[in-house]
Amino acid sequence: NAGVMQNPRHLVRRRGQEARLRCSPMKGHSHVYWYRQLPEEGLKFMVYLQKENIIDESGMPKERFSAEFPKEGPSILRIQQVVRGDSAAYFCASSVEGFYSLNTEAFFGQGTRLTVV
Amino acid sequence: AQRVTQPEKLLSVFKGAPVELKCNYSYSGSPELFWYVQYSRQRLQLLLRHISRESIKGFTADLNKGETSFHLKKPFAQEEDSAMYYCALSILTGGGNKLTFGTGTQLKVEL
Repeated sequence: NAGVMQNPRHLVRRRGQEARLRCSPMKGHSHVYWYRQLPEEGLKFMVYLQKENIIDESGMPKERFSAEFPKEGPSILRIQQVVRGDSAAYFCASSVEGFYSLNTEAFFGQGTRLTVV
Repeated sequence: AQRVTQPEKLLSVFKGAPVELKCNYSYSGSPELFWYVQYSRQRLQLLLRHISRESIKGFTADLNKGETSFHLKKPFAQEEDSAMYYCALSILTGGGNKLTFGTGTQLKVEL
């Protein structure tokens, strides 16, 4: 099991372009979480998805950000019309069960570092 | 809303000295607490969780509901303990929930 795979590891975009970040969960995991880490800050929850469903998007900015986890393929975090403030590390995690079981473990990817120039 | 506070950005100790990484939380209910660790150039991984009450790599953490704290402790620091440590909280809500992280503490163990 290769673990949670995120790509690309580094992404540079000009202001106004779109950024697409991909996350392939661990085999057998159907729950995916996206977190953002701004410089000097901790990990901030963005969105929690199950296959084809958004369960909790309370941490997603209301505009320009969207996420999906299709039946086939990786989860995608999409940022439209990027701005400098979007520069951050974006981490994906997956788990077998949702956190409603309380003792489930999240496995993290190595993150995508987005730089907006 | 739930919140996790790690007051120290950096903690530097000598090898063999005791370590205590502080974590305080705010939540009125009964949360589940975790410590995650990120070693250099590696991904974030679970170190230990409150519910299992186990010691991992010599680390322990006790949930103190009165003080709303979940400090991580180790009696004798080792060089390989140098890493970034994150305290995290999870609460039970309908339909699943999420981990809320603190800002992290960088532990540096010096020889």
